[in-house]
Amino acid sequence: GDSVTQMEGPVTLSEEAFLTINCTYTATGYPSLFWYVQYPGEGLQLLLKATKADDKGSNKGFEATYRKETTSFHLEKGSVQVSDSAVYFCALGPRGGADGLTFGKGTHLIIQP
Amino acid sequence: DTAVSQTPKYLVTQMGNDKSIKCEQNLGHDTMYWYKQDSKKFLKIMFSYNNKELIINETVPNRFSPKSPDKAHLNLHINSLELGDSAVYFCASSIGGQPAAFFGQGTRLTVV
Repeated sequence: GDSVTQMEGPVTLSEEAFLTINCTYTATGYPSLFWYVQYPGEGLQLLLKATKADDKGSNKGFEATYRKETTSFHLEKGSVQVSDSAVYFCALGPRGGADGLTFGKGTHLIIQP
Repeated sequence: DTAVSQTPKYLVTQMGNDKSIKCEQNLGHDTMYWYKQDSKKFLKIMFSYNNKELIINETVPNRFSPKSPDKAHLNLHINSLELGDSAVYFCASSIGGQPAAFFGQGTRLTVV
């Protein structure tokens, strides 16, 4: 079945550091790919998405590129802030239908001032 | 203004009790979901409803039953609660054909 693998956390960085959170997937067909963020005590928010190969999703300085050849969707940000501290989830979903999302286990990001 | 709202936010109950969690969305979406997040933050889909029809049931125990009185609501009923049911339950919604989902704030269920 479909699966998503993320790097284990916690990931601890200093403010203004460069961020990469790795995500790889296994899926049949051509899934859409997502990054969700969960701030402490809150629900999940969609951060960015890409629906086909070579698409780049971006939002709030975060970027991720759908790489079909490496089945990856790594999340990057050039300069992180303390306010980026959260749990980040990579997820995949079918192109259509109501089959829901398959999530990775989440990566806890801690940014120190 | 909240797009997907769940109540209650926190629920503490004893083993063996029956409880419900309510979910409402005002986005006009036609598909709603319940996800469970365990203590290690792992998220897994439990159910989805599309136009009042159950689409998936991911081997969830039949003590859990989703109830959808209309397209804007998907409530989760849990019978005979067990310690292992303690988790955060998230409701979500989407438009059929678009897998990206909007999530509620979550309900933290603690069974004692």
